[in-house]
Amino acid sequence: EDKVVQSPLSLVVHEGDTVTLNCSYEVTNFRSLLWYKQEKKAPTFLFMLTSSGIEKKSGRLSSILDKKELFSILNITATQTGDSAVYLCVEMDSSYKLIFGSGTRLLVRP
Amino acid sequence: KAGVTQTPRYLIKTRGQQVTLSCSPISGHRSVSWYQQTPGQGLQFLFEYFSETQRNKGNFPGRFSGRQFSNSRSEMNVSTLELGDSALYLCASSLDSSVYEQYFGPGTRLTVT
Repeated sequence: EDKVVQSPLSLVVHEGDTVTLNCSYEVTNFRSLLWYKQEKKAPTFLFMLTSSGIEKKSGRLSSILDKKELFSILNITATQTGDSAVYLCVEMDSSYKLIFGSGTRLLVRP
Repeated sequence: KAGVTQTPRYLIKTRGQQVTLSCSPISGHRSVSWYQQTPGQGLQFLFEYFSETQRNKGNFPGRFSGRQFSNSRSEMNVSTLELGDSALYLCASSLDSSVYEQYFGPGTRLTVT
């Protein structure tokens, strides 16, 4: 059965710190890996990664995928209190089915 | 453009009852997916509808069902409610088969007593 494992489960940092969130996956028919940010209720889309080694970047956030080792990381530099959220790693299989990890809860203190 | 809307926002039901939740996707979006979120299990995929057809289904019992109408609005039904069905039910819509860029609704908080 496909599985997505995220680590750490929770993280507390101070503003300005850099954080790295990890995601490993076991899939039968991998299509892509996605990252979402969830604040309060509805998740918002961050990145979709399909190819190994190509970094996706959006402002202070960046992510990369390693299809050989089956993992992805999400980096956030110069963290701000507004980055506090749950970050979800999601695997999409070949039939577009999504499997969610349990999330990493990030708290950024002023 | 209006976002994804879900009704009702909150619902309290008793065990054994059934419930229907509604989701209106963003105008023009044809794919609607449903998710269950609980503290213990996280976010779990229920099913996805595209052009009125169920295209994908998660590992939930047959008590959970859904449908999509010609205007892309979707409903989710849970029959014979159990205490463990208490959760936040999220609906997400996307333009077409590019399911990755989903837009989530605010969710329906279901409490089963």
